[in-house]
Amino acid sequence: EAQVTQNPRYLITVTGKKLTVTCSQNMNHEYMSWYRQDPGLGLRQIYYSMNVEVTDKGDVPEGYKVSRKEKRNFPLILESPSPNQTSLYFCASSPRSGGTDTQYFGPGTRLTVL
Amino acid sequence: DQQVKQNSPSLSVQEGRISILNCDYTNSMFDYFLWYKKYPAEGPTFLISISSIKDKNEDGRFTVFLNKSAKHLSLHIVPSQPGDSAVYFCAAANTGNQFYFGTGTSLTVIP
Repeated sequence: EAQVTQNPRYLITVTGKKLTVTCSQNMNHEYMSWYRQDPGLGLRQIYYSMNVEVTDKGDVPEGYKVSRKEKRNFPLILESPSPNQTSLYFCASSPRSGGTDTQYFGPGTRLTVL
Repeated sequence: DQQVKQNSPSLSVQEGRISILNCDYTNSMFDYFLWYKKYPAEGPTFLISISSIKDKNEDGRFTVFLNKSAKHLSLHIVPSQPGDSAVYFCAAANTGNQFYFGTGTSLTVIP
């Protein structure tokens, strides 16, 4: 089944404890992206990647890192999480860069930073 | 600063009637617009899109209208069905790599 998977789905952590949220797609998509969803702010793009080893900042990249060593994986790294990073995170992928392809979203990861 | 705005947080419509969801944007460089639908505890799913060179795109019960001079787009759902009850996000992109989403409109279709 074609899908985008994220792990973990739920995570409660403490300030400053490094964490990684994994994202994997099995559709051989070039483009991958991370978003966060917050009440009253909608979805905001954190980072995106147009292909392996090519990443770029979205609208709200501060406090996050990403890597794209393989086409299928695009992990989101929070090196020193803070409470303002408590949010619902979505990973997405699309066949090609360029905007005309549909983005397929993962199920979301709810992160709470205490 | 929110470049894509959905000013109605919620909308209720009777089953069978038309649902109209609105979206405004500020960046005239956006050249591609999309609508996504989101159910609770799931990721958004793509609904319909439109390029800036068009003013209308239709797919079954869903039609998106784009008014570039007003920097406004709308999604029409006709007829509305209870299964359409969800949160709808509009999104915009320029060059297709960076996306800006609105804050969402929660649609409730009343049977």
